[in-house]
Amino acid sequence: DTGVSQNPRHKITKRGQNVTFRCDPISEHNRLYWYRQTLGQGPEFLTYFQNEAQLEKSRLLSDRFSAERPKGSFSTLEIQRTEQGDSAMYLCASSFRGSGEKLFFGSGTQLSVL
Amino acid sequence: GESVGLHLPTLSVQEGDNSIINCAYSNSASDYFIWYKQESGKGPQFIIDIRSNMDKRQGQRVTVLLNKTVKHLSLQIAATQPGDSAVYFCAENIGNTDKLIFGTGTRLQVFP
Repeated sequence: DTGVSQNPRHKITKRGQNVTFRCDPISEHNRLYWYRQTLGQGPEFLTYFQNEAQLEKSRLLSDRFSAERPKGSFSTLEIQRTEQGDSAMYLCASSFRGSGEKLFFGSGTQLSVL
Repeated sequence: GESVGLHLPTLSVQEGDNSIINCAYSNSASDYFIWYKQESGKGPQFIIDIRSNMDKRQGQRVTVLLNKTVKHLSLQIAATQPGDSAVYFCAENIGNTDKLIFGTGTRLQVFP
């Protein structure tokens, strides 16, 4: 499978715990995006990377959220001190700059904060 | 504002009929638009895209129409099949930015 891969698919955690999600983009893609999606809504942009550089962060990304892409390949999204409002689907997407803005999405990580 | 919205939250069509899903956008600086299909438990899947210098683009069984005058985008699906049942999102890219902004989605239900 050469698509965007996300792990884990599901995560259940207690309020106050830290969680980390991983995304492996399509190998030749140099751009990587994180989106958040709640039920019945469209994906909301969180942040994106060009290679290892984080170029933009949404106002939605509070101080409890941090994303990294240390070697310009896979990325991690960490949420510290989770809150019930963090419950959502976290989607990763990748693209190749120069081929347009078309994003290829993974299947997401569904987070439930109890 | 930077909003993308949809007129109808749910669309029910009979198998074999054509479907039309509509989308309104508000930012005249948007220059690229995409339609995505999302099935339950999966990420959005690319269907078709169009740039603002075009007003129509066709794919396999799908056509996207862009009316920049009224800031309206539509997705036409010919001979709708049960496998087309999903939530459809339009998304826009505003010139000089590097992210897609999504609308809230329309659920397409196909019945026999």
